[in-house]
Amino acid sequence: AQRVTQPEKLLSVFKGAPVELKCNYSYSGSPELFWYVQYSRQRLQLLLRHISRESIKGFTADLNKGETSFHLKKPFAQEEDSAMYYCALTTSGTYKYIFGTGTRLKVLA
Amino acid sequence: SQTIHQWPATLVQPVGSPLSLECTVEGTSNPNLYWYRQAAGRGLQLLFYSVGIGQISSEVPQNLSASRPQDRQFILSSKKLLLSDSGFYLCAWTNDRGHANTGELFFGEGSRLTVL
Repeated sequence: AQRVTQPEKLLSVFKGAPVELKCNYSYSGSPELFWYVQYSRQRLQLLLRHISRESIKGFTADLNKGETSFHLKKPFAQEEDSAMYYCALTTSGTYKYIFGTGTRLKVLA
Repeated sequence: SQTIHQWPATLVQPVGSPLSLECTVEGTSNPNLYWYRQAAGRGLQLLFYSVGIGQISSEVPQNLSASRPQDRQFILSSKKLLLSDSGFYLCAWTNDRGHANTGELFFGEGSRLTVL
């Protein structure tokens, strides 16, 4: 069965420090990975997807199939990055999107 | 543009009472629809999804059921609520057809259910 693991419930960093939110998955095939973000009082929304290989708001994530990981990184955290982040997985040929337990990021001034 | 609506936003119900949460999508046709429950420490748990009218897939055996009476309407129900049904319920949609899942899930604002 597909599974997404986010080991950190809470991550606190100072403004300007690098950020890495960890995500590991279990799936034997070729997954599609996503990061979703929920800012305070806003809807859950897509941040980025691995297939696009894009950088959004300074965040990047690389799919490492050998380590089955899709960690989210940003070199310099900003206070407005404080939010709940969810890693999600889906697979070609299915319609299910499986989410991890989420990591709350707090960027301190 | 497409929009998704959920209601009610907040609901307080006694144990043993019925439940009906509604979700409607506008501006698109034949969407895939999803119900998730968001709980602290447990993340987003997929409850049901539907790829068409009358087609419901259940992910977690539980006290809840889902129905899709119309193309863009998805309903989450229970005949008798349990305390453990309390939580934040999110409806979502995508037009991804499953062949190349590069699609994006669009979420509603959520419905907070408290069972007393």
